[in-house]
Order: sequence, then C-alpha cells, then structure tokens
Amino acid sequence: GAGVSQSPRYKVTKRGQDVALRCDPISGHVSLYWYRQALGQGPEFLTYFNYEAQQDKSGLPNDRFSAERPEGSISTLTIQRTEQRDSAMYRCASRRLAGVSMSIADTQYFGPGTRLTVL
Amino acid sequence: AQSVTQLDSHVSVSEGTPVLLRCNYSSSYSPSLFWYVQHPNKGLQLLLKYTSAATLVKGINGFEAEFKKSETSFHLTKPSAHMSDAAEYFCVVSLDNYGQNFVFGPGTRLSVLP
Repeated sequence: GAGVSQSPRYKVTKRGQDVALRCDPISGHVSLYWYRQALGQGPEFLTYFNYEAQQDKSGLPNDRFSAERPEGSISTLTIQRTEQRDSAMYRCASRRLAGVSMSIADTQYFGPGTRLTVL
Repeated sequence: AQSVTQLDSHVSVSEGTPVLLRCNYSSSYSPSLFWYVQHPNKGLQLLLKYTSAATLVKGINGFEAEFKKSETSFHLTKPSAHMSDAAEYFCVVSLDNYGQNFVFGPGTRLSVLP
C-alpha cells in the first residue's frame, strides 16, 4: 500500500516568509510524528499526535513552529518568519497504533521528507 | 535522559566482508531499540527492532543486531557486505516504555568498496 507522503519535497523560501509542510500518513495510522534532520545529523524529534490530539510538542524549538492534525489524518507543520537556521530536512512518520506494541510492523514509518532551504 | 551513541561516523568495508556498526545507548527504562537505514535521497527504512523478546534480532537484507544489556549495546552486523548496503545507518532508542518517542543516534555512513 501507499507509504507516508510529504509535500512539497523541496521548498526554497526567503527569510521572514512563512512555510507550511504537509504530511499524509499511512491510511488508518493513529500516531503521526514530525522530525527535523540537519545535514549530517540524525533526525531530531519535534512533536507527535495521536489522532488529532497533539501529545507532545516539547521538541518544537520555539513558538515560530506549530503543527496541527485537525481531522486525525493529514498534518501540517508551519514555520512562521523563517530563519536561515531553519534550513533542514523535515521528516514525518506515522505509526499504526498508539502505545505498547511488540510487533515490528507497529513502528514508525517515515516519509521521504521535505528539504527546506531558507535564503 | 535517553541517549544513543554511534561510535563511528564512517565505516568502510570491502564487498563480501563483514559489517559491524556499533551502537551504545542509555535509557532509564528497558528500552526498545531500532536500526534504520537511509539511502541517498530516500526516506528512512526500518531494518530491525528489539522489544525485549529475543536478544538476537534478525532484520531485512541479512542484517541482525544483538541486544546486550550488560554492555548497553545494540550493534548491527551483516556477514557479507553488498554494494547496495552503502547508506547511512541510524540507531534509535525509544524515549519511553511505549515506543512512541524516538531518540536517534548521529548516524554511521557505510561505504562498500568493490
């Protein structure tokens, strides 16, 4: 079946502009995660949702970053007043369940990412 | 706090020789541990997962990893490297007992020489 998709795949914007990054999780997946990956680094957790409820936003670096998942499916990560330091790959992942699972299938499946460049 | 250390930022092996990618973790709980692979310009792909069942975990593409609690290690191995294995490999520890929040290691780039 279809995996996690993200759009746009590439986004170039000027400093000070707002950007919205979209994530389409695997159909029926309960949990959705956002990560940021700087060049040469591992992904860094930003926030996650179970259904439409934002469970943890402790990884969001500041109040310019926000995320929503209003209907428990598609999610949007918004960065306001972008800065050059926001340039990174933004990755979304979804998971079938929330909570404990022993199955290798019940883990996070990652999308291809959106590469954001702020000039 | 949970953390993951990948001791080698870059590993280079010859095709057909064994692969060893090292990972050590710290966790307040009995952790869930994962290895992900990232090929250039592609998304992250799950290789294998440990969740307190068998300590030797077999994954896709001939990879396996052994959980050693006494050493807090979860090293990734493969008996014989293939050119297609060249990629970035991330060791991941779950941040809580529920396997929800991941902490990623910095990654190890594997190069496979002909």
